[in-house]
Amino acid sequence: EAQVTQNPRYLITVTGKKLTVTCSQNMNHEYMSWYRQDPGLGLRQIYYSMNVEVTDKGDVPEGYKVSRKEKRNFPLILESPSPNQTSLYFCASSSGLGDSTDTQYFGPGTRLTVL
Amino acid sequence: DAKTTQPPSMDCAEGRAANLPCNHSTISGNEYVYWYRQIHSQGPQYIIHGLKNNETNEMASLIITEDRKSSTLILPHATLRDTAVYYCIVRVPGNTGKLIFGQGTTLQVKP
Repeated sequence: EAQVTQNPRYLITVTGKKLTVTCSQNMNHEYMSWYRQDPGLGLRQIYYSMNVEVTDKGDVPEGYKVSRKEKRNFPLILESPSPNQTSLYFCASSSGLGDSTDTQYFGPGTRLTVL
Repeated sequence: DAKTTQPPSMDCAEGRAANLPCNHSTISGNEYVYWYRQIHSQGPQYIIHGLKNNETNEMASLIITEDRKSSTLILPHATLRDTAVYYCIVRVPGNTGKLIFGQGTTLQVKP
């Protein structure tokens, strides 16, 4: 089954304790992206990757890092989490072909709480 | 990407067709209309997209007006599980890939 998976689904942590949220897709997609969703602010893009070893900042990259060493994986790293990073996070992927088949598929979400 | 306007909320009776409108009067020639929905706090789910012709898949139909300034998503037989926030997004495929989700339409399907 074609899917985007994220782990963990729920995480409660403390300020400053490094964490990684993993994202994996099995559709051989070139493009992957991270969003965060906050009440009243909608979904905002954090980082995206057009291909392996190619990443770029989205709208709200501060406090986050990403890496794309393999096509299927795109982990989101919070080196020193702070309470304002408490949010619902979504990973997404798409073919990246830029044609009419280029639709994004989202993971189930990771609810992060930073105390 | 062009801006879209959707009603904030709609109700629909279970089993009836749900017709969700979207205005995108500034759409340009190479921009597609995409529809996504988000059920509670789950990941947004792709529904359908189109350029200028009407489209249908197993989930829904998309009707785009001839001038492409508006569209309607049709769920032919709405069920309680279709209760969700529906987002209409206009964009060029690729284009840094970022999806801009507006406020969407909250569809409440009632028994």
